[in-house]
Amino acid sequence: DIQMTQSPSSLSASVGDRVTITCRAGQTISSYLNWYQQKLGKAPKVLIYAASTLQSGVPSRFSGSGSGTDFTLTISSLQPEDFATYFCQQSYSAPYTFGQGTKLEI
Amino acid sequence: QVQLQESGPGLVKPSQTLSLTCTVSGGSISSGIYYWTWIRQPAGKGLEWIGRIYATGSTNYNPSLKSRVTISVDASKNQFSLNLSSMTAADTAVYYCAREGSIVGTYWYFDLWGRGTLVTVSS
Repeated sequence: DIQMTQSPSSLSASVGDRVTITCRAGQTISSYLNWYQQKLGKAPKVLIYAASTLQSGVPSRFSGSGSGTDFTLTISSLQPEDFATYFCQQSYSAPYTFGQGTKLEI
Repeated sequence: QVQLQESGPGLVKPSQTLSLTCTVSGGSISSGIYYWTWIRQPAGKGLEWIGRIYATGSTNYNPSLKSRVTISVDASKNQFSLNLSSMTAADTAVYYCAREGSIVGTYWYFDLWGRGTLVTVSS
């Protein structure tokens, strides 16, 4: 299985801040990396796929970058609705695996 | 628009088999361009991919669960199902069904999720 490691596991920030979350794969996964946002009690929602492609309807303040083993999710200016948990997920090979999550708190 | 809805028991006894169904509405499960997937999440923890099925019936399972998992599809009902045998407390989780799609046929991701259903294993 490909291990996915996110950092930090939690992050405190304020509205308007620029925030970066990192995800490292245990082996190269090219650009087969997706980012999801999960709010409390809700299902995850895809934000970014193929490492850097913004899903339709997702605000442009979200962006993704990276390839190979190191990836980042950046939120350029935090909004109140962005406080949630974020997961990365590799789709390079089955079994698909997720990072442990980054909880973004006020 | 397409929606997914999980259904099944919220409580299962240890050693029993869990059976969950995901009903697809607003679209056909046989469209042939999606994988239909089960994912679970223990309370306060991360996400675990259980497995997936294609419209043809072809399956892939997580090796960590493979001996206990069966995923099947019923195209006539527009549903797919999860059976997980020999349940233990460690299987207590929210179970999600999801659709795995791709825009360009290369990069795949979970683009649609059900709301999830909590399954508790307890006697």
